[in-house]
Amino acid sequence: EIVLTQSPGTLSLSPGEGATLSCRASQSVSSRYLAWYQQKPGQAPRLLIYGASSRATGVPDRFSGSGSGTDFTLTISGLEPEDFAVYYCQQYGYSPPYTFGQGTNLELK
Amino acid sequence: QVTLRESGPALVKPTQTLTLTCALSGFSLGTSGMCVNWVRQPPGKALEWLARIDWDDDKYYSASLRTRLTVSRDTSKSQVVLTMTNMDPADTATYYCARINRVGDSRSWFFDLWGRGTQVTVSS
Repeated sequence: EIVLTQSPGTLSLSPGEGATLSCRASQSVSSRYLAWYQQKPGQAPRLLIYGASSRATGVPDRFSGSGSGTDFTLTISGLEPEDFAVYYCQQYGYSPPYTFGQGTNLELK
Repeated sequence: QVTLRESGPALVKPTQTLTLTCALSGFSLGTSGMCVNWVRQPPGKALEWLARIDWDDDKYYSASLRTRLTVSRDTSKSQVVLTMTNMDPADTATYYCARINRVGDSRSWFFDLWGRGTQVTVSS
């Protein structure tokens, strides 16, 4: 089972600043099957990025994903007030199990 | 409108069996390429994948919970059902169903749509 480790656990920033979130896998993630989700309090996760770098429908272009192998990054350029949330990475593919990182809490400074 | 909606008891007692239903709207699990997953999230904790059922009735389970989980579908009712036996307070969580939609793209194994979740508390 692939273990995903996200860092930092909490990131305190102000609107307008840029955010860099990291997701490291315990083994190589095949075919770049790595997704990022955003979750706000009391809400379900929302797909942001799939295939490590493809934005889901309706996701603003200030969100971008990069990486391959075992190291992946979610970058948010120019934080908007609605971006403060918890972000999870996930590895997926044909064969489960699917695993999620422990999350990065992006909080308002 | 394409949605998933979870339902089930808000409170169960230890050792009881939990039955959750995911109602599908706007799409069919009978369509080739569609899958539905169950994911849970204990209060303040991370997401945990539990099970998956596919359009062809293939089923997959978390290794650590395999002996306690059963996932099934009723295509005519557009529902997916998850049962979890021998419930414990550690199973207290919000339970989500989430879709995989590989129609038109066989590589799309990500969870593109989630239900709002149903909160389950295990307590005597």
